[in-house]
Amino acid sequence: KAGVTQTPRYLIKTRGQQVTLSCSPISGHRSVSWYQQTPGQGLQFLFEYFSETQRNKGNFPGRFSGRQFSNSRSEMNVSTLELGDSALYLCASSSVRPGGHSYGYTFGSGTRLTVV
Amino acid sequence: QQPVQSPQAVILREGEDAVINCSSSKALYSVHWYRQKHGEAPVFLMILLKGGEQKGHEKISASFNEKKQQSSLYLTASQLSYSGTYFCGTDSNQGGKLIFGQGTELSVKP
Repeated sequence: KAGVTQTPRYLIKTRGQQVTLSCSPISGHRSVSWYQQTPGQGLQFLFEYFSETQRNKGNFPGRFSGRQFSNSRSEMNVSTLELGDSALYLCASSSVRPGGHSYGYTFGSGTRLTVV
Repeated sequence: QQPVQSPQAVILREGEDAVINCSSSKALYSVHWYRQKHGEAPVFLMILLKGGEQKGHEKISASFNEKKQQSSLYLTASQLSYSGTYFCGTDSNQGGKLIFGQGTELSVKP
């Protein structure tokens, strides 16, 4: 069974630009979450999508946005990039219990974004 | 609110045991545990649902005290392959929002 696929693996962008990251979840997983990982802040929750709807959002500015398509693939977009946005962005997918909670997440390998 | 993990780091010799704790200020539906090796993605270890259950995965087990909003991860007879950073993730009654602790770096030496 294929894992969670994130593209691209590496990105270098200039301050002020925008970037779009892609995530293909495990087949059958309808919940997709995005995390920002940095050495100082650990794993920070960005947002979670379920059946094309954003169910949960973390404490990030509006420059960070995402969406989910009908095939559960998800994208996240960061506009007006800042140096502090340099991080590893991880996508995780999960199947969901009847009450809406996860059975456990499978993470992709991440996209390493460097803003210069 | 981010759960708090302790200790922040621990160094073990092969065969020794370790306990990693995770504490939350919010009522929890479940607690997840993940391990991340350097340069790799976090890997799911186990999930504990409210009800005080204990689960095991080979020599790694965990408990969840719903009333205290605390979970502990037990690693017994540690192996070199156990080295990595362990994260607990807490899921409150919101569904779909997993918040991770700051991580516990575990190093197992020969």
